[in-house]
Amino acid sequence: DSGVTQTPKHLITATGQRVTLRCSPRSGDLSVYWYQQSLDQGLQFLIQYYNGEERAKGNILERFSAQQFPDLHSELNLSSLELGDSALYFCASSVRTSGSSGELFFGEGSRLTVL
Amino acid sequence: SQKIEQNSEALNIQEGKTATLTCNYTNYSPAYLQWYRQDPGRGPVFLLLIRENEKEKRKERLKVTFDTTLKQSLFHITASQPADSATYLCAPGNTGNQFYFGTGTSLTVIP
Repeated sequence: DSGVTQTPKHLITATGQRVTLRCSPRSGDLSVYWYQQSLDQGLQFLIQYYNGEERAKGNILERFSAQQFPDLHSELNLSSLELGDSALYFCASSVRTSGSSGELFFGEGSRLTVL
Repeated sequence: SQKIEQNSEALNIQEGKTATLTCNYTNYSPAYLQWYRQDPGRGPVFLLLIRENEKEKRKERLKVTFDTTLKQSLFHITASQPADSATYLCAPGNTGNQFYFGTGTSLTVIP
């Protein structure tokens, strides 16, 4: 158990809809990262937050947005969903900022299926 | 742009043998490199970190090398076991740029 909690574990929705994925980082970790992993694809970095502020952005679509709240949990919002958005979405946390070599602790992921 | 490549084809080896996985990177000067293990449908799990000033790092049956001249890291699993079957991901990192993972190599250890 990594200590990172993601909900929901599974989500099935229709094209055009909007969903919110939630992540609670390990106790004490200030950084939260979001990744997308499609079938047979590698981990694609989406965005990173540190102590409530956006620190880095990867290949995140404009239809997607995220935030980190004062209690350090984070939410990833996916809107106007398309079939291609079906994927595993992982959250990871790290105790340090992006300037360190801190290992990432991953949650078990939220599997999104868009029909 | 930076690129991180791992063995694109799956690796099958016999139990007891040494598995060697490769991570190559281009347009990148990482200060360290991490290796993770991912089982199907699960989140990656951190295994090892090696820094640019370290040539080799060991942890139990795992060994990692880091050659900044060749821009390559090798990940070895000695005395491999079926339980080692998984996908292994490398993640070169640097200040402000530690978010990217390689494509991963799928390893199957055959009993």
